[in-house]
Amino acid sequence: GQNIDQPTEMTATEGAIVQINCTYQTSGFNGLFWYQQHAGEAPTFLSYNVLDGLEEKGRFSSFLSRSKGYSYLLLKELQMKDSASYLCAVRDSNYQLIWGAGTKLIIKP
Amino acid sequence: ETGVTQTPRHLVMGMTNKKSLKCEQHLGHNAMYWYKQSAKKPLELMFVYNFKEQTENNSVPSRFSPECPNSSHLFLHLHTLQPEDSALYLCASSQERGGGETQYFGPGTRLLVL
Repeated sequence: GQNIDQPTEMTATEGAIVQINCTYQTSGFNGLFWYQQHAGEAPTFLSYNVLDGLEEKGRFSSFLSRSKGYSYLLLKELQMKDSASYLCAVRDSNYQLIWGAGTKLIIKP
Repeated sequence: ETGVTQTPRHLVMGMTNKKSLKCEQHLGHNAMYWYKQSAKKPLELMFVYNFKEQTENNSVPSRFSPECPNSSHLFLHLHTLQPEDSALYLCASSQERGGGETQYFGPGTRLLVL
């Protein structure tokens, strides 16, 4: 079957750096997405990786290794507003999005 | 309004009620989706519409009935639901189904079935 694994919850300190990992086993691969979801709000698009390597967008970066079935989301200079759930999703060979259960990130002062 | 909107934001219903969820997208997209989000579980894709035609139904019980009158509007009609159907129901849209499109989500309807 198809599976996306990411940690259930992580805690980090304001101003620090945190890395949220995502591993996947899917039928084919056509890109990996990261979304951010604040409690009670819509998931919002953060990043898309289809080739190996690091994509940087301001304080957020996303990395992909297709051979290892692995991605991470790196958040730098953490702010309290970064407290949210981070969802990893992989598009399989049928262009269907397979979702992880999300990682709840708690930022402490 | 911009983006994807959903109404109502919160809904409480009994198991014998009939209600409808509404989604509207203002992005000019051609594909729309219904997802179910339960606590600590992955998003579950329920239905997909592409150019107003239903292209996917992921084994969803018949007590959920979608309707897509045009590319901008999507409804989810609910009847005789069960308590386990309580969840956040998210609507999303994308340029079209397939390809490299990104999905954009509405804020969801928080549904409680008593």
